[in-house]
Amino acid sequence: QLQLQESGPGLVKPSETLSLTCTVSGGSISSSGYYWGWIRQSPGKGLEWIGSIYHSGTTHYNPSLKSRATTSVDTSKNQISLKLRSVTAADTAVYYCAAGVVLEAFDIWGQGTRVTVSS
Amino acid sequence: QSALTQPASVSGSPGQSITISCTGTSSDVGGYNHVSWYQQHPGKAPKLIIYDVTNRPSGVSNRFSGSKSGNTASLTISGLQAEDEADYYCSSYRSSRTLVFGGGTELTVL
Repeated sequence: QLQLQESGPGLVKPSETLSLTCTVSGGSISSSGYYWGWIRQSPGKGLEWIGSIYHSGTTHYNPSLKSRATTSVDTSKNQISLKLRSVTAADTAVYYCAAGVVLEAFDIWGQGTRVTVSS
Repeated sequence: QSALTQPASVSGSPGQSITISCTGTSSDVGGYNHVSWYQQHPGKAPKLIIYDVTNRPSGVSNRFSGSKSGNTASLTISGLQAEDEADYYCSSYRSSRTLVFGGGTELTVL
């Protein structure tokens, strides 16, 4: 059974780049056939899809974040990464890594990592 | 991109049935049979309970069911239990291979 674990800095300064990593255990990213996604949840708010990547490297992004977000796969480390550029306080949220056999449904989730954007 | 529309809150008594709606457009809910529902307890990650409008993942109680009519999808929980108290989110595939979530609905079991 796949397990996901997000990691990254809990605090990022405004205008800097947020970098998060999702480490996958219990299976190989390259052979799993899964879509890997990033979803965030601002304090007291709902879920927001950031983007998804297939093991082949094909990516899909939320149009509202597309210009700032990049997700990639490192098969040698069995990790997925997210970079979000030029962050502001509005990017403060719990960031989740998730996986699904189809793009449109995530059946495996990490526990989430809290990120605060503040100087 | 605009979120799907869900009621902010619903409530029901143990044993009753409740329905949560999720309204979108012909570019998402109405145009594709790729609506999912997630349950999220406080401080926890979301859990997939319905995918492709009506399908339940293995291990999810058959008290949860999904349906769709036009641009509105619905989640019905029958035989309401205290453990069902949580936030519920719908999501839908949207054209150009993107996803969109609903604003979430807080379910209170009275």
